[in-house]
Amino acid sequence: DTGVSQDPRHKITKRGQNVTFRCDPISEHNRLYWYRQTLGQGPEFLTYFQNEAQLEKSRLLSDRFSAERPKGSFSTLEIQRTEQGDSAMYLCASSSGLRTLHFGNGTRLTVT
Amino acid sequence: EDKVVQSPLSLVVHEGDTVTLNCSYEVTNFRSLLWYKQEKKAPTFLFMLTSSGIEKKSGRLSSILDKKELFSILNITATQTGDSAVYLCAVDSNYQLIWGAGTKLIIKP
Repeated sequence: DTGVSQDPRHKITKRGQNVTFRCDPISEHNRLYWYRQTLGQGPEFLTYFQNEAQLEKSRLLSDRFSAERPKGSFSTLEIQRTEQGDSAMYLCASSSGLRTLHFGNGTRLTVT
Repeated sequence: EDKVVQSPLSLVVHEGDTVTLNCSYEVTNFRSLLWYKQEKKAPTFLFMLTSSGIEKKSGRLSSILDKKELFSILNITATQTGDSAVYLCAVDSNYQLIWGAGTKLIIKP
């Protein structure tokens, strides 16, 4: 399967802990996006990379959130000092610049 | 502020019915409008629309864009239970996608 893959599928953590998610985009795609989705809402934009450069960050991305794409391939999203409000589905998507996103299956985060 | 509004928020119909889902938008720099279908996990791409009045069609699904009135519709004819999903509309504005909240469609057998 050469689609977008995300790991882990589900993460349960206690409030205050740090978590890190990984996204492997489609190999020829130079753009990578992170979204957060809560129940009953469309995906909310978090951040976007073109190759290894982080070009855009949402105001939603507080200083507890950081994303990297060190070699322009896979990306990681880290949340420090998790809060219950961080519980959501975190979606990664990639594109080749045609604005047709290919999504991974997401990482569901539950903060207890 | 850019926004995308979908209606209805939810819809329940019987198998075989035809449904029309609506998406209206107000954005600063429209580039395209996209429709996605979301079942249990991630959204899957359906259509991308950039020009007014040109219908995109895929099987029983079709969509059209009106850039003057700032809306799009997604039609599904002869609905099947497998069409049950959340249908999301997103507008590309300045290389960011602004998403609607989705229409939850339930098809009863």
